Amino acid sequence: SYVLTQPPSVSVAPGQTARITCGGDNIGSRSVHWYQQKTGQAPVLVVYDDKDRPSGIPERFSGSNSGNTATLAISRVEVVDEADYYCQLWDTSRDHVAFGGGTKLTVL
Amino acid sequence: EVKLVESGGGLIQPGGSLRLSCVASGDTFGRYWMHWVRQAPGKGLVWVSRISTDGSDTSYADSVKGRFTISRDNAKNTVYLQMNSLRADDTALYYCARDQINDSFDVWGQGTMVTVSS
Repeated sequence: SYVLTQPPSVSVAPGQTARITCGGDNIGSRSVHWYQQKTGQAPVLVVYDDKDRPSGIPERFSGSNSGNTATLAISRVEVVDEADYYCQLWDTSRDHVAFGGGTKLTVL
Repeated sequence: EVKLVESGGGLIQPGGSLRLSCVASGDTFGRYWMHWVRQAPGKGLVWVSRISTDGSDTSYADSVKGRFTISRDNAKNTVYLQMNSLRADDTALYYCARDQINDSFDVWGQGTMVTVSS
């Protein structure tokens, strides 16, 4: 199965930029989606198709994808951004969905 | 605004069966593929299954294949997950999610908890 690798945790000070990576074999050739999940809540889509934002998601959230790494960047980080973040894609070779293991973002 | 509401979870003994339901509001349910995703306590998201718009095409994670069956009734705006031969490692919060055409999930329910324990 296709493996997506995320760092377990990322810490950043308020106002700085947080970057959360998602590694996978030639992931740059696939479309990657990102979800935010706050404690006790359902996930929320924050970036789809590598870099597009659903309506209502702040412009502070952006995505990129190249080579073997996709990245979710959150600029001007706020305390409300503290959450778990998951990358996801469709593994067409197996007709399965793959999720990364998740990254806990802590705002110091 | 589309909402998804799951139900059917509960405490079940190993080897038992449960059927989860997910009801969607609105009149566009039949246009979208639907998925089930689960999350064990304190763990990450794990995809379980998906179904095409007309129910003719389904797919399952290896861990549930042969035990779980996904289906849908577009007239009732509902997707189901029949879970048989349940095991302790099936214990999780089960979410249904809408596939917004490009394999990303734009709408999620709040989940229904399944606990498999004797």
